[in-house]
Amino acid sequence: DTEVTQTPKHLVMGMTNKKSLKCEQHMGHRAMYWYKQKAKKPPELMFVYSYEKLSINESVPSRFSPECPNSSLLNLHLHALQPEDSALYLCASSQDLGNTIYFGEGSWLTVV
Amino acid sequence: GNSVTQMEGPVTLSEEAFLTINCTYTATGYPSLFWYVQYPGEGLQLLLKATKADDKGSNKGFEATYRKETTSFHLEKGSVQVSDSAVYFCALSDGTNAGKSTFGDGTTLTVKP
Repeated sequence: DTEVTQTPKHLVMGMTNKKSLKCEQHMGHRAMYWYKQKAKKPPELMFVYSYEKLSINESVPSRFSPECPNSSLLNLHLHALQPEDSALYLCASSQDLGNTIYFGEGSWLTVV
Repeated sequence: GNSVTQMEGPVTLSEEAFLTINCTYTATGYPSLFWYVQYPGEGLQLLLKATKADDKGSNKGFEATYRKETTSFHLEKGSVQVSDSAVYFCALSDGTNAGKSTFGDGTTLTVKP
């Protein structure tokens, strides 16, 4: 069983809505990640946090805004999304950068 | 840059058949290698890993050996079950691009009873 918990599991939002995806881990990991995955494709890295500081932003559009309130929590704030942003959003964590990455179950996002 | 190449799918096998999914890589330094499995409608689960040459990772009957000489990490299972039907991703982490793992394109496995 994954120890990375994501909520909600499913989210449908309109293009003018503001919503957030939440992620929590209690493994004491110091690195946390957001990935986006389209059907039948590998996950694509969006953001990396290390010790609660943003260390990588893979040129993600500003309509996606990450936040790391503390070492156990990671949020992804969503605003003015496009239908093409519909995908599975995966949170992950690792002990430190470069260590084994553990994924959550994902949040299925549909933008209408 | 780093890259991971997996055998193209989909792969369809009968129950109890032998499974091999090929994975080769290019990387700087001494990467760690991973196999992840994604069951329908779920996230990625770590299946097994190996952190140095000649290490063998194993879990749930699956095995893969880190072969530095052939830059490979092929996934094998002696007898597949219907419940093994999933997408399998080979991945590497080299530590130099800290936080950035490289994933293969994934191989879809379907096991028929």
